[in-house]
Amino acid sequence: KAGVTQTPRYLIKTRGQQVTLSCSPISGHRSVSWYQQTPGQGLQFLFEYFSETQRNKGNFPGRFSGRQFSNSRSEMNVSTLELGDSALYLCASSSTPSEGDEQFFGPGTRLTVL
Amino acid sequence: DAKTTQPPSMDCAEGRAANLPCNHSTISGNEYVYWYRQIHSQGPQYIIHGLKNNETNEMASLIITEDRKSSTLILPHATLRDTAVYYCIVSPNNAGNMLTFGGGTRLMVKP
Repeated sequence: KAGVTQTPRYLIKTRGQQVTLSCSPISGHRSVSWYQQTPGQGLQFLFEYFSETQRNKGNFPGRFSGRQFSNSRSEMNVSTLELGDSALYLCASSSTPSEGDEQFFGPGTRLTVL
Repeated sequence: DAKTTQPPSMDCAEGRAANLPCNHSTISGNEYVYWYRQIHSQGPQYIIHGLKNNETNEMASLIITEDRKSSTLILPHATLRDTAVYYCIVSPNNAGNMLTFGGGTRLMVKP
């Protein structure tokens, strides 16, 4: 079974631009979560989608948004990029958003904002 | 959500058991204890989780104290490939897949 895939793996943008990151969950998984990892703040939860609906949202500004498609693939968008948005963005999938459901993480997309 | 406290770093000799402690003294009755690890430059990997009882799987054992205020993750025979940052997370059963990661413990397995 293929794992969680994220594209692109690396991205360089400049301040003020916007970016879209993509996540393909494991086949059959319907829940997708996004996390941001930085050296200063560590791993922080961004949002979670299940059946095309956002179930939970972390404490991030409105510039960060996401969506999920009917095939469970998910995208996240960051508008008006700031230097502080440079981070590793991780996507995780699970069968359902239930307790104890193991989350499988992708390799991440490393975003650099110049 | 309950907070967790973990030592920032630990060393372990290859082949020996690695015992990673986690304090979660404010844990609520409906909160589970999860352990994930992150090997350098990779996404986190699920290890194990539990509510009250001790749990064991092919990777590790999870020992939760009777009062549930602390737990220990045990890697029975650590290998060099177990060198990673280990995260102890407590999360309520209605939080879906929203995990709150702390600083974790950087485990260094040495030959």
